[in-house]
Amino acid sequence: DAKTTQPTSMDCAEGRAANLPCNHSTISGNEYVYWYRQIHSQGPQYIIHGLKNNETNEMASLIITEDRKSSTLILPHATLRDTAVYYCIVLFAGGTSYGKLTFGQGTILTVHP
Amino acid sequence: DADVTQTPRNRITKTGKRIMLECSQTKGHDRMYWYRQDPGLGLRLIYYSFDVKDINKGEISDGYSVSRQAQAKFSLSLESAIPNQTALYFCATSDPQGALETQYFGPGTRLLVL
Repeated sequence: DAKTTQPTSMDCAEGRAANLPCNHSTISGNEYVYWYRQIHSQGPQYIIHGLKNNETNEMASLIITEDRKSSTLILPHATLRDTAVYYCIVLFAGGTSYGKLTFGQGTILTVHP
Repeated sequence: DADVTQTPRNRITKTGKRIMLECSQTKGHDRMYWYRQDPGLGLRLIYYSFDVKDINKGEISDGYSVSRQAQAKFSLSLESAIPNQTALYFCATSDPQGALETQYFGPGTRLLVL
């Protein structure tokens, strides 16, 4: 699975958009980008995933660059409850990563009042 | 009500004791997983099950066993607990109709082995 690089920490004001970057320059054509988050001591929470096209759901938007070497998770209107560690994961859905999630260090997002 | 529940939420036990952690889900998913999380080591997969008759070892299955009693229930046992099994344990499920890596996690069980 491709390695990802994320900033260690980011801050965001409540009500503003939070833009969390992820670099995955070694991604291959059949690897997906997944985002999860983990609020302190709670279970990880699935946010969104994508392959090539930008994706949006009720939680967030995922913007993937045309060369697929990086992506950005956007929380359009951050709230205090969005304070969490955000994990960007790149993997082939199936094969050797079959059902196995591996989280790196992630980005600690702190939303301020 | 939560879709994925784990019991107990916290447990303190002694070295050598056998304990069971339970997981139940109401999502109707066939696939269930057990992970442990340790500070600085991220999530590690212990066991996974793709249906009631299918049980597979993950990357760190030694010292653990599982039982899939029904589609909705997946239990993790520590046969003889040891201190380095102190960790946060998570159960997760996924939908066979969706991507395997879209997993839904329970709230976790915090285990301390003395």
